[in-house]
Amino acid sequence: NAGVTQTPKFRVLKTGQSMTLLCAQDMNHEYMYWYRQDPGMGLRLIHYSVGEGTTAKGEVPDGYNVSRLKKQNFLLGLESAAPSQTSVYFCASTNPPQTGKNTEAFFGQGTRLTVV
Amino acid sequence: GENVEQHPSTLSVQEGDSAVIKCTYSDSASNYFPWYKQELGKGPQLIIDIRSNVGEKKDQRIAVTLNKTAKHFSLHITETQPEDSAVYFCAASMRPGYNKLIFGAGTRLAVHP
Repeated sequence: NAGVTQTPKFRVLKTGQSMTLLCAQDMNHEYMYWYRQDPGMGLRLIHYSVGEGTTAKGEVPDGYNVSRLKKQNFLLGLESAAPSQTSVYFCASTNPPQTGKNTEAFFGQGTRLTVV
Repeated sequence: GENVEQHPSTLSVQEGDSAVIKCTYSDSASNYFPWYKQELGKGPQLIIDIRSNVGEKKDQRIAVTLNKTAKHFSLHITETQPEDSAVYFCAASMRPGYNKLIFGAGTRLAVHP
């Protein structure tokens, strides 16, 4: 009963390096999201996807790219990491609205990223 | 766009006391208001939610109230226990499952034995 799994859990990057965060869900959810969590600011939506092959920008998309090649996976990429991207990143998934299914958002355990 | 403000940022209570966390929102189109609990090192987990056609909802020791006219909603925890210690987030969106879920800044609740 894995739910939403994020890889890796921790990472330290040097400024300018690139990396990809992986999110995998086993609940057959259509919608997937990437959030970042910073002290005193709650969670802010970076990008989201309403289905395989589709992505869209959230509140704070700059500096990030995403891909949803498979329904169960949602990847978040940082092409050239900056110290301002030091944060805790959370992936979430839900069923779409108005489908009669449970629309609770399930979150992964988070990835703590430090950019030095 | 929607803006959600949450107060207080920290809350300290004695075991057995009640705790109240308040949120206000700006977009009158918001109709879904979930509350999440985040324990140390874990992702947020839904604990209760309320929709705009309901004024109050209870689940054992937790309850949420909504005042759509004033655009505010509150989380009430009664008979607090040490395991209630966590960070609590309120959020708002147009409907459940909708992608534009806007979160408050969070409240760190500490329950002292």
